[in-house]
Amino acid sequence: KAGVTQTPRYLIKTRGQQVTLSCSPISGHRSVSWYQQTPGQGLQFLFEYFSETQRNKGNFPGRFSGRQFSNSRSEMNVSTLELGDSALYLCASSLPQLAGGITDTQYFGPGTRLTVL
Amino acid sequence: AQSVSQHNHHVILSEAASLELGCNYSYGGTVNLFWYVQYPGQHLQLLLKYFSGDPLVKGIKGFEAEFIKSKFSFNLRKPSVQWSDTAEYFCALGEYGNKLVFGAGTILRVKS
Repeated sequence: KAGVTQTPRYLIKTRGQQVTLSCSPISGHRSVSWYQQTPGQGLQFLFEYFSETQRNKGNFPGRFSGRQFSNSRSEMNVSTLELGDSALYLCASSLPQLAGGITDTQYFGPGTRLTVL
Repeated sequence: AQSVSQHNHHVILSEAASLELGCNYSYGGTVNLFWYVQYPGQHLQLLLKYFSGDPLVKGIKGFEAEFIKSKFSFNLRKPSVQWSDTAEYFCALGEYGNKLVFGAGTILRVKS
């Protein structure tokens, strides 16, 4: 099976602009999660989508948003970019959460490296 | 809020040395725990996971981890490291809705 793919791999934007990142999950996976990775804050959860609905959200401002399409592909959008948004944005896909609240294994993509100038 | 602590930020070992990376979590309920690895230039990969049952979990590439509930710990071990184990290792706690709470990571460098 093909792995999780993310496009673009690298992106350079200036402050105030907006950006859209794309993620295609592993075939058959219906849950997509997004994470931000920075040297200072490490890996932080942004949000998770399952069946086109946001199921969980991390502690990020409203400038960060996402959506999921019927084919499980997901996009995340960051509006009004700030210098601090420079990071590696990771997408992870998994099967639907197992019964009893058990977190399923997540498979990560290579990430999109966003640089904000 | 749930949290994960990894005590060692940088570890340097010689080949064939034994490895133990510490991971402690803060959560009072049923835990799902993971160790992920990020090799240089590669994406995060799952090493092993614990959901329930045998507290000693075996993963890929000879890694294992032991879940000790009384100590809120999930330490990663390998009896003999190789140069190719040079990577960053992340411990993570699973929350509802497939949210992972990650530790800060441990950078392991293995000297050949």
